[in-house]
Amino acid sequence: GAGVSQTPSNKVTEKGKYVELRCDPISGHTALYWYRQSLGQGPEFLIYFQGTGAADDSGLPNDRFFAVRPEGSVSTLKIQRTERGDSAVYLCASSPRGDGLGYTFGSGTRLTVV
Amino acid sequence: GQQLNQSPQSMFIQEGEDVSMNCTSSSIFNTWLWYKQDPGEGPVLLIALYKAGELTSNGRLTAQFGITRKDSFLNISASIPSDVGIYFCAGMNYGGATNKLIFGTGTLLAVQP
Repeated sequence: GAGVSQTPSNKVTEKGKYVELRCDPISGHTALYWYRQSLGQGPEFLIYFQGTGAADDSGLPNDRFFAVRPEGSVSTLKIQRTERGDSAVYLCASSPRGDGLGYTFGSGTRLTVV
Repeated sequence: GQQLNQSPQSMFIQEGEDVSMNCTSSSIFNTWLWYKQDPGEGPVLLIALYKAGELTSNGRLTAQFGITRKDSFLNISASIPSDVGIYFCAGMNYGGATNKLIFGTGTLLAVQP
């Protein structure tokens, strides 16, 4: 597609459940980023993929969070044993190069944990 | 996580007025960027700055990269209703291993026609 696609756009889940959030980057973009945006805050870095490998996962808050990009295109962010504090908008961005410029953000997935 | 200090937190202005917002950091960056975010959307890049002291314009928007490399400001001239949204600064150390963005806390802009 023309832009970065994220699905679902909204997800409501119960505390303790497992969720998966999907990101389809712009075709040909090798770099993929996940950010988390809490209400009233700017986005915060979670993880960066260059190709299939997670080059930097230093932003993942704890081991309940995990992300994969097995074929170097689509990425899935996985959250186990969700907590109410995980409620936020999860943004994905892709870039044609690994230099961080030319970022294009998706519209995000709004996750609500009840 | 780290967030840059951005001010003001919000602004309510009349159409046609000029707007100024700024961003400060305790760390040095070699790249500063300004984004606009509309409700339900991701941030969209407005201006990128690559050199300390650089002044760059994009239509009615002008941004400057502070000489200390720890701050940046954004000006919007002759505001119009479609300027409404949340503006974020972001710092990056371009050329690093990750090139991740460190965002500011945001400035909410409301423009009254």
